[in-house]
Amino acid sequence: GDSVTQMEGPVTLSEEAFLTINCTYTATGYPSLFWYVQYPGEGLQLLLKATKADDKGSNKGFEATYRKETTSFHLEKGSVQVSDSAVYFCALTSPNAGNMLTFGGGTRLMVKP
Amino acid sequence: GAGVSQTPSNKVTEKGKYVELRCDPISGHTALYWYRQSLGQGPEFLIYFQGTGAADDSGLPNDRFFAVRPEGSVSTLKIQRTERGDSAVYLCASSLAGPPNTEAFFGQGTRLTVV
Repeated sequence: GDSVTQMEGPVTLSEEAFLTINCTYTATGYPSLFWYVQYPGEGLQLLLKATKADDKGSNKGFEATYRKETTSFHLEKGSVQVSDSAVYFCALTSPNAGNMLTFGGGTRLMVKP
Repeated sequence: GAGVSQTPSNKVTEKGKYVELRCDPISGHTALYWYRQSLGQGPEFLIYFQGTGAADDSGLPNDRFFAVRPEGSVSTLKIQRTERGDSAVYLCASSLAGPPNTEAFFGQGTRLTVV
């Protein structure tokens, strides 16, 4: 079945540092790829998405590129802020599996001032 | 309301009891999903409704779990004979009908603790 693997956390960075959170996937066909974020005390929110190979999703300074050849969708941000502290989830939907999301285990990011 | 609403936000129950968890989706969203998130893990799919019918219930772990959506809006997840292993955050999400990559909007979840 489909699966998503992302780097374990916590990831601790200083403000303005560069962020990478790795995500790789296994899926049949051509999945759509997502990053969701969960801020403390809040529900999951869509951060960005990409629906086909080589697409780049971007939002709030975060970016991720759909790499079919490496089955990856790594999340990056050039300069993190304390307000970016949250748990980040990589996820996919498969065209043969309805709209259901398959999530990775989540990566907690802690940004220190 | 503007978003997906789940009630209660917290539920503590004794082992063996029956519980119901409620989800109010965003108005007009025909697709509704239930997920379960155990501590330190990502959400896992339970069941998907398109309108009133369960389009996919392959994620329900066993027959103690059941969900309904009788009028195509509010959904209730029902758990019979609860076990300590059922303790988790139960998440509901809704989306517009459409392509597979339509954005799903999540509620804040119900934290279920079975003691």
